Amino acid sequence: QVRLVESGGGVVRPGESLRLSCAASGFTFKNYAIHWVRQVPGKGLEWVAVISFTGKNQYYADSVKGRFTISRDNSQDTLYLQMNALRSEDTALYYCARPLTFGGFDFDYWGQGTLVTVSS
Amino acid sequence: QSALTQPPSASGSPGQSVTISCTGSSSDVGGHNYVSWYQQCPDKAPKLIIFEVTKRPSGVPDRFSGSKSGNTASLTVSGLQPEDEADYYCSSYAGSNTLVFGGGTKLTVL
Repeated sequence: QVRLVESGGGVVRPGESLRLSCAASGFTFKNYAIHWVRQVPGKGLEWVAVISFTGKNQYYADSVKGRFTISRDNSQDTLYLQMNALRSEDTALYYCARPLTFGGFDFDYWGQGTLVTVSS
Repeated sequence: QSALTQPPSASGSPGQSVTISCTGSSSDVGGHNYVSWYQQCPDKAPKLIIFEVTKRPSGVPDRFSGSKSGNTASLTVSGLQPEDEADYYCSSYAGSNTLVFGGGTKLTVL
């Protein structure tokens, strides 16, 4: 079955960096664009970024543009999110999500999330 | 990339119907037929219940339905059941390969 497993979260200070990973299984990873979505605990969802099938194209929310980089390794069925210059407002549970259709923006599979806390 | 507007709360008694609105702009909801709705239970990942405005994924009861008029999309839950109590989020494609979510609505089954 389809499975997405995030890792790499933790507690960091403002200005520091962190890299999240999302290991995929149960489907042909290289055939899907994959997204990152975050959620401040107790608050709403915020779309973060998407990467195309090949990894050639990446798109970001304005709130993270220039600080976060989404990438993928199709040989390892793994998605990444490099987060630099972290701010307190980046504190959230970060989910990777697979769309229903190859390049869509509606997500039928989500991971369990990995928590990032940015605090001094 | 402004968040879509949802009412913070909604409620209904078992068996009743409730409708949750999701208001955006011509750049997102009004400009594309790519509105989705998610149900999120406490400490769980969101679950897709409506996509492309009106479509239901396999396994989602037909008590859940979606619609759109202009810049506002709506989710209707008919025949409310206690297990429908959850947070509901809308999302819309916003052009240029970006997505925007609503702020979420907490549905209470009285």
